[in-house]
Amino acid sequence: GIQVEQSPPDLILQEGANSTLRCNFSDSVNNLQWFHQNPWGQLINLFYIPSGTKQNGRLSATTVATERYSLLYISSSQTTDSGVYFCAVGNTGGFKTIFGAGTRLFVKA
Amino acid sequence: DVKVTQSSRYLVKRTGEKVFLECVQDMDHENMFWYRQDPGLGLRLIYFSYDVKMKEKGDIPEGYSVSREKKERFSLILESASTTQTSMYLCASRTSANTGELFFGEGSRLTVL
Repeated sequence: GIQVEQSPPDLILQEGANSTLRCNFSDSVNNLQWFHQNPWGQLINLFYIPSGTKQNGRLSATTVATERYSLLYISSSQTTDSGVYFCAVGNTGGFKTIFGAGTRLFVKA
Repeated sequence: DVKVTQSSRYLVKRTGEKVFLECVQDMDHENMFWYRQDPGLGLRLIYFSYDVKMKEKGDIPEGYSVSREKKERFSLILESASTTQTSMYLCASRTSANTGELFFGEGSRLTVL
């Protein structure tokens, strides 16, 4: 099955700094999502981005499907950005969504 | 906005009890899923359902069963709870196509004593 690798596993930022999170996947995909898991455990949808680039406020994401990676950019980070960021993918012919292990982000005030 | 609602945020149960976790979605989605999340193990799929009364085992179905009598509701059942089932349980739904966006509920944190 598809393997999903996220990097870095942990990240500590000073408030106001920018960061890039990476998601590599081992096979072609027909869907890709980025989630933020808040401290209470809820998974919040950030982007549905099987290809191309999207932006939402301080966050943006790019997926290069032909090269099998996606990037999540966080600009001007805030303490509320802390949590775990997950990349999740799926491919044709299956119901399953495969999750990466996540990037744990801590933003210091 | 899509809303996926899980019946309980926090539950404490005793070993051997029967536990029901309920999940309701309001977007007429065909597919619904139950995951559990544990530190160091990530999200693991327990069961999913692709239609009313239809279900498929995920990666870790042992000790669990599910019920989907109505399209909007997907229940996870622990017939006899054990301490190993202490975990965070997450319900999700999406449209029928596996290209669809997945939406999660708030999660149910279960402790079995």
